[in-house]
Formats: sequence, structure tokens, C-alpha cells
Amino acid sequence: KNEVEQSPQNLTAQEGEFITINCSYSVGISALHWLQQHPGGGIVSLFMLSSGKKKHGRLIATINIQEKHSSLHITASHPRDSAVYICAVRWGAQKLVFGQGTRLTINP
Amino acid sequence: DAMVIQNPRYQVTQFGKPVTLSCSQTLNHNVMYWYQQKSSQAPKLLFHYYDKDFNNEADTPDNFQSRRPNTSFCFLDIRSPGLGDAAMYLCATSRHSTTGGLDTQYFGPGTRLTVL
Repeated sequence: KNEVEQSPQNLTAQEGEFITINCSYSVGISALHWLQQHPGGGIVSLFMLSSGKKKHGRLIATINIQEKHSSLHITASHPRDSAVYICAVRWGAQKLVFGQGTRLTINP
Repeated sequence: DAMVIQNPRYQVTQFGKPVTLSCSQTLNHNVMYWYQQKSSQAPKLLFHYYDKDFNNEADTPDNFQSRRPNTSFCFLDIRSPGLGDAAMYLCATSRHSTTGGLDTQYFGPGTRLTVL
């Protein structure tokens, strides 16, 4: 059974800080997704990656397939980045397995 | 803009009264998913359609059914809602091709279901 573990579960930081959220999984995958969910809102897909690194604006996602680990980084964090960040791995043809999420709060 | 639309955004139903949630997409994606997300929990996949092929998760209760009359629309039917079915229901779509594999999933805004 594929398990997806995220850390930390909760993270509070000051505006401008560099943020790192980690995700580990237990078996081989075909792709890993980072998702963002605002309170009461739907889910937005931030990245899908299967190797290396992707960057979009202030967001950077990396994955190490050998170590079964991925990180999501936010540079120059802003209060509008406050949300739940979810790591999900694709295991099998179409199914996603979700982590429990990391609740990020950025204080002004 | 191409998107995933869910209606209604908020649905209130009575215990045992059937309810249908709707999802439509303008992305022309061939895969559509229904997830259930309870408070402070990760989304849980209920089932998905790959084109017209229905794929049910093993632990999805029989109380939950789905229909996909065409590429654009997918419905979630809850035949006899219980208090434990109160949750956010998320629809998602993705494109899968035999050559390109599976694209990222695009999520709708969700329907929050309250059961009285």
C-alpha cells in the first residue's frame, strides 16, 4: 500500500520567509502532484512532476525519485500564500493518493 | 475560460433524501473523478470515469453512484444520504492519452453537502 507522508502538518511563518514543505512516499510512482487548497475553496494544481525540478513564479517543486521524496518551496512568502498544500502521488494508471496536507499560515 | 464547474456550490438535503451533484467541464478531458473530502482530511477518491468506463473504488459505499451521460458532464448520486456523508465533494478532470500518459488533474470548486 502506498503511503504519503507530509511534514510539517502545520507551519506558521512571517511574511518574506522561505518556506519548505516535504513529502515522502513509500512505493514507486509515475508522477507527483502538489496542490493548493484555500479555506472553503476548491483545489488548484500547482505542479505535476516525475523527475527533477519545476519552477513557477515564487514556487519551486523538486523530486528525488531514488529517495522517494519531494519538496515544495515558496520564496518571499506572502499572506496570500496561506492555504493547505497537498502532496498527491499517482499510483497506477489514474488514481491519486493524497497526503494529509500541510496547513501554511503566513503572518504579515 | 476552459474550466471545471460544479453545481450547486452548497447543497442541503435531509437524512435519507436522494441528492444529485453535478460536474461539467469544457476541457474535453476523457477522465473525470469524484472525491469526498471531510473536514481537515485529505480528499478520498470515490470513483472515476475513463471515457465511458466506470471505475469504482473498493471502499466506496453502494449509497454512492455516478453517471456520465457524455464527455462534458458527470453526476454524483447519493441515494440515501446519512449524517456521515456531509462533506465537500470535489470533481476533477484529466486527459489521458496512450502516447502522452496522464496529464495533471484540474479540480472544480467543490460542492459542500449538508445533511440535516
